[in-house]
Amino acid sequence: AQKVTQAQTEISVVEKEDVTLDCVYETRDTTYYLFWYKQPPSGELVFLIRRNSFDEQNEISGRYSWNFQKSTSSFNFTITASQVVDSAVYFCALREGTSGSRLTFGEGTQLTVNP
Amino acid sequence: NAGVTQTPKFQVLKTGQSMTLQCAQDMNHEYMSWYRQDPGMGLRLIHYSVGAGITDQGEVPNGYNVSRSTTEDFPLRLLSAAPSQTSVYFCASSYWGYRDAFFGQGTRLTVV
Repeated sequence: AQKVTQAQTEISVVEKEDVTLDCVYETRDTTYYLFWYKQPPSGELVFLIRRNSFDEQNEISGRYSWNFQKSTSSFNFTITASQVVDSAVYFCALREGTSGSRLTFGEGTQLTVNP
Repeated sequence: NAGVTQTPKFQVLKTGQSMTLQCAQDMNHEYMSWYRQDPGMGLRLIHYSVGAGITDQGEVPNGYNVSRSTTEDFPLRLLSAAPSQTSVYFCASSYWGYRDAFFGQGTRLTVV
């Protein structure tokens, strides 16, 4: 069965520090998609990125970057030069090729960026 | 486009009361689903639907009913609310397969 683990429950950093959020997944499918979502204090879920299992290229978008490694079943998320507005809960999620549109979420990591 | 619309945004219920959480989407998505979010547990799938007239259970279906009479709407019913159902509920929709999911704004439900 599929599973996503975010071992870091809470992380607290000072503004401008770099921070990495860890995500480890389990799946038997060879085709799958990995996602990161942000949930700010206002409560909505904001889609950040989707990667498929055939594309291990790292991705950078502004201050955000993602490191996908199939060898370690990890999809880690790094925020460079963190800002107070990055304070949120971040979720990693998995969609298997055989499960249609069903998402399996990790427990979430609460990131607090202090000024 | 409105996207995925959930109502109400907040609700307080007494134990034993019933209510329906509404979810509507205007993107003609086949797939719709309900998740609940609890601290330390992420989002867990309650029920889902792959099209009008077709629903199935997710990971935590007990205490909830769903139906899908139209493509647009996917209501979630609590027949007899319990304090354990205090949670934040999210509705999501997507095209079937590997497209991205669109989430509603969430409903914060408190059962006292």
